[in-house]
Amino acid sequence: LAKTTQPISMDSYEGQEVNITCSHNNIATNDYITWYQQFPSQGPRFIIQGYKTKVTNEVASLFIPADRKSSTLSLPRVSLSDTAVYYCLVVEYNFNKFYFGSGTKLNVKP
Amino acid sequence: SQTIHQWPATLVQPVGSPLSLECTVEGTSNPNLYWYRQAAGRGLQLLFYSVGIGQISSEVPQNLSASRPQDRQFILSSKKLLLSDSGFYLCAWSVGQGETQYFGPGTRLLVL
Repeated sequence: LAKTTQPISMDSYEGQEVNITCSHNNIATNDYITWYQQFPSQGPRFIIQGYKTKVTNEVASLFIPADRKSSTLSLPRVSLSDTAVYYCLVVEYNFNKFYFGSGTKLNVKP
Repeated sequence: SQTIHQWPATLVQPVGSPLSLECTVEGTSNPNLYWYRQAAGRGLQLLFYSVGIGQISSEVPQNLSASRPQDRQFILSSKKLLLSDSGFYLCAWSVGQGETQYFGPGTRLLVL
């Protein structure tokens, strides 16, 4: 399993764009990158997933460079309700084991 | 649409007592099911996963066990709880191996 490295915490202000970068130097050919969001006392919620280049959905964008050794989750114009822990996972295709690190605690200030 | 339920939401148990946490999924068939534990301020630790009825894979040796008596039911059990079993227990499901996992609301367990 490829391990991931994320910043422990980040601060931002409402209305700003937030970029959280994750390092995964040992990512394998069959691995893809998934991000989850977790609020206190709740289960993680799937945000976005990608294999390479750029993926965008209604809540976030995911940027993956050509070497795939890192990825960046981009949250446009955050609000106070985006305060949460964000987990970056590298998931092996057709494999059941998800490794959740400690995640990045994002604190959005007014 | 699919939904996942866990109960109880919170539980306080004395050391040495038994445990049974239940997870059920609605709106899908033959899901992969997972049990995770999360210590305070930490990431999630995969405990068990199941790809079908009666099929359980254990990831971490401990005094917990899991069972899947029905297609969409996953149970986490212990015969004798330890203080170290305290934590936030999460059940999740996915369509297949490596697919996106969807989590339940969790059960907070405090062993005293």
